[in-house]
Amino acid sequence: DTEVTQTPKHLVMGMTNKKSLKCEQHMGHRAMYWYKQKAKKPPELMFVYSYEKLSINESVPSRFSPECPNSSLLNLHLHALQPEDSALYLCASSQDARGREAFFGQGTRLTVV
Amino acid sequence: AQSVTQPDIHITVSEGASLELRCNYSYGATPYLFWYVQSPGQGLQLLLKYFSGDTLVQGIKGFEAEFKRSQSSFNLRKPSVHWSDAAEYFCAVGANFGNEKLTFGTGTRLTIIP
Repeated sequence: DTEVTQTPKHLVMGMTNKKSLKCEQHMGHRAMYWYKQKAKKPPELMFVYSYEKLSINESVPSRFSPECPNSSLLNLHLHALQPEDSALYLCASSQDARGREAFFGQGTRLTVV
Repeated sequence: AQSVTQPDIHITVSEGASLELRCNYSYGATPYLFWYVQSPGQGLQLLLKYFSGDTLVQGIKGFEAEFKRSQSSFNLRKPSVHWSDAAEYFCAVGANFGNEKLTFGTGTRLTIIP
């Protein structure tokens, strides 16, 4: 199984809502990532979890809050987002966080209204 | 810090023609190099990777790439493209120690014409 599963596929939320994005992998990978991708741009790294500990936060606003409950799961909690936060949010995992290949989920298309 | 340059923003190729997408990287040692493909609204799929050893690597969907240290390049090639190859292609570089980031190039959009 080389799959990273993200739910939901699409999400529309208001600026006062609280929602969560979920990501799951069963490849035994010990590093998991959140990326944000705007149209016609490459993915931008947001967070890296290595062995269930947050190892990189790319100066992401606090309205995005990551959580890694266990080695297979990664959540991204969203609160008080802005319309400019609308994007494709991609989760990825890799064997470890030492620059090896990452396997990506299909993404969550987020629209903030 | 590592960086990646993909000089071609958009390439148009006829179906059945050969393809080469360019990628240049900057890194102080031998990097980990990757090519990913992304169809509209989808996630990224790994086409191939280079860690060490043979500088010509084979990937999925008939793609190959060649690592040239002297040119700091990792160009992607395919001898004959199919209409289904139309997508966005990203080259990426990873550090083999320390830095945990995967750095992406800006991408090349591939259009296939009949």
